[in-house]
Amino acid sequence: DTGVSQDPRHKITKRGQNVTFRCDPISEHNRLYWYRQTLGQGPEFLTYFQNEAQLEKSRLLSNRFSAERPKGSFSTLEIQRTEQGDSAMYLCASSRSDRANTEAFFGQGTRLTVV
Amino acid sequence: DAKTTQPNSMESNEEEPVHLPCNHSTISGTDYIHWYRQLPSQGPEYVIHGLTSNVNNRMASLAIAEDRKSSTLILHRATLRDAAVYYCILRDRDDKIIFGKGTRLHILP
Repeated sequence: DTGVSQDPRHKITKRGQNVTFRCDPISEHNRLYWYRQTLGQGPEFLTYFQNEAQLEKSRLLSNRFSAERPKGSFSTLEIQRTEQGDSAMYLCASSRSDRANTEAFFGQGTRLTVV
Repeated sequence: DAKTTQPNSMESNEEEPVHLPCNHSTISGTDYIHWYRQLPSQGPEYVIHGLTSNVNNRMASLAIAEDRKSSTLILHRATLRDAAVYYCILRDRDDKIIFGKGTRLHILP
């Protein structure tokens, strides 16, 4: 297993366009997390899944954002009608929940630039 | 979410030990203390975690105060590759991970 992978690594889009990012977690991990990070700040929690169930969504996740994990494996994060303020690094992480307090493994992220 | 307080930045010389402090005075009995670090242009990576007792692994040691209101991450012999932002995080069992601003560690050659 090569770890958490995210695709694409970089995305440049025009304001108003829709974008979709994909995250493939480590195969036996049932927890999947999405974060957003802007320059100089720590990652901000957006949402997380246990298997296919979305357990929590941050207030940061406006109605333009939607995340899915349809079969409990990979996940997608879609941003509709992108705005310049959406420019950030989007990070995905996965972990196991069957053992207490295991570590989360992060992907390299998708850097979004909205022009 | 329980809060942690860390210095914004620290400096250390290469090949010397580094002690990164973290205050968490509002920690609850079920909060674990986690440390992650983020190297430039990378996603965060797990370093270590503990509940009450001091912990050691191949990357670092975690010293937890007896009252659990503070902890210290110890890098025994810093290298240039340890230059990163280090995050101290309180995590209740399998809850989500909430990051603060962390401590930016600079290593001087």
